[in-house]
Amino acid sequence: AQSVSQHNHHVILSEAASLELGCNYSYGGTVNLFWYVQYPGQHLQLLLKYFSGDPLVKGIKGFEAEFIKSKFSFNLRKPSVQWSDTAEYFCAVNVWGNNRLAFGKGNQVVVIP
Amino acid sequence: DTAVSQTPKYLVTQMGNDKSIKCEQNLGHDTMYWYKQDSKKFLKIMFSYNNKELIINETVPNRFSPKSPDKAHLNLHINSLELGDSAVYFCASSQQTGEYNEQFFGPGTRLTVL
Repeated sequence: AQSVSQHNHHVILSEAASLELGCNYSYGGTVNLFWYVQYPGQHLQLLLKYFSGDPLVKGIKGFEAEFIKSKFSFNLRKPSVQWSDTAEYFCAVNVWGNNRLAFGKGNQVVVIP
Repeated sequence: DTAVSQTPKYLVTQMGNDKSIKCEQNLGHDTMYWYKQDSKKFLKIMFSYNNKELIINETVPNRFSPKSPDKAHLNLHINSLELGDSAVYFCASSQQTGEYNEQFFGPGTRLTVL
């Protein structure tokens, strides 16, 4: 079945540690890829997106993600997290020409000061 | 300026009631969506409208009825509310430009059914 997979649902780390969140998808065809962040009690905000071109994309707040087509992956990274990065992170996939945005189940990230 | 707005932000109601959630976007987009985020934070699309026409209708009980009076508005009406309808409902919009579809989300409406 077509799906978006995010592993390690709960991630706890200390400030200044590096963060990497995995995202794999099983959709065929050309895709648009997104990472959204949801801070506690707030709405979804776009962190970064990949449509085409350079597979390494940089987003807001020091986040970056790399699209590896052969692995159907779009992993999110941040070299040094801050307490304010505590949030839920969602990977989302949209197949070209299709309006549906399919979400992974999210990663709950807690950064300890 | 708020790009995608929803009202109300919080909605607490009794089982069996009928309620509506409103969504408006001022981005000039032609496509709007409703998503449901359950208690486990899982997000799933419910409906999508393009230029006031329904184009996505996922497996959603027919107690849920979307209505789009114009391109900038997409409302969600829910009849006979049930406990399981408690969730956060997000509205989103996008401009369909060929293959690219970036969706912008509203602040969400937290619905609690007692």
